[in-house]
Amino acid sequence: AQKVTQAQTEISVVEKEDVTLDCVYETRDTTYYLFWYKQPPSGELVFLIRRNSFDEQNEISGRYSWNFQKSTSSFNFTITASQVVDSAVYFCALSSTGNQFYFGTGTSLTVIP
Amino acid sequence: DGGITQSPKYLFRKEGQNVTLSCEQNLNHDAMYWYRQDPGQGLRLIYYSQIVNDFQKGDIAEGYSVSREKKESFPLTVTSAQKNPTAFYLCASSWTGLNQPQHFGDGTRLSIL
Repeated sequence: AQKVTQAQTEISVVEKEDVTLDCVYETRDTTYYLFWYKQPPSGELVFLIRRNSFDEQNEISGRYSWNFQKSTSSFNFTITASQVVDSAVYFCALSSTGNQFYFGTGTSLTVIP
Repeated sequence: DGGITQSPKYLFRKEGQNVTLSCEQNLNHDAMYWYRQDPGQGLRLIYYSQIVNDFQKGDIAEGYSVSREKKESFPLTVTSAQKNPTAFYLCASSWTGLNQPQHFGDGTRLSIL
């Protein structure tokens, strides 16, 4: 069975703090992809990053970084020096058998100025 | 600009009434998806289509129907059989393939009068 767990329902941080959003996944497939999306208050989900199951290199894009560890089935997302514009709901998703996406329940991040 | 257009943004349904949510994309994507989002439950797949004139049920298809007569259009009908239709509905599209990110519209918020 495919499953994505985002145990953190809500997180609040003060601006300029670093914050890590956790994502744990379950799949028996050897080939799969992991994604992160951002949902601002406007509602549209915005694609942030994709990672395949064979590439465990961490990735950094500006203030965003992602840590993929197959040993712990985790794909965590860190925002460095958070800003108010980072306030949103963040979803982790898994794509494997059947060409479907399996989304976590999301983590609502509030950055307090 | 390429993208996904959902309309209307807000929709109200009377008891016993069917309503249709529109989703149009000009990205030339083969696959299209409908999700329902409820607070604290993440995104749940209603229906998806990978090719014109073909579609498959997702996890919560009961009370919903779709059609895919054109590549760019994937309307969702919420029927009177759906007893709890109040939710935020998101349409997405993508190229086929496990590694393809889904791209989302702005969503339609459906409420019961």
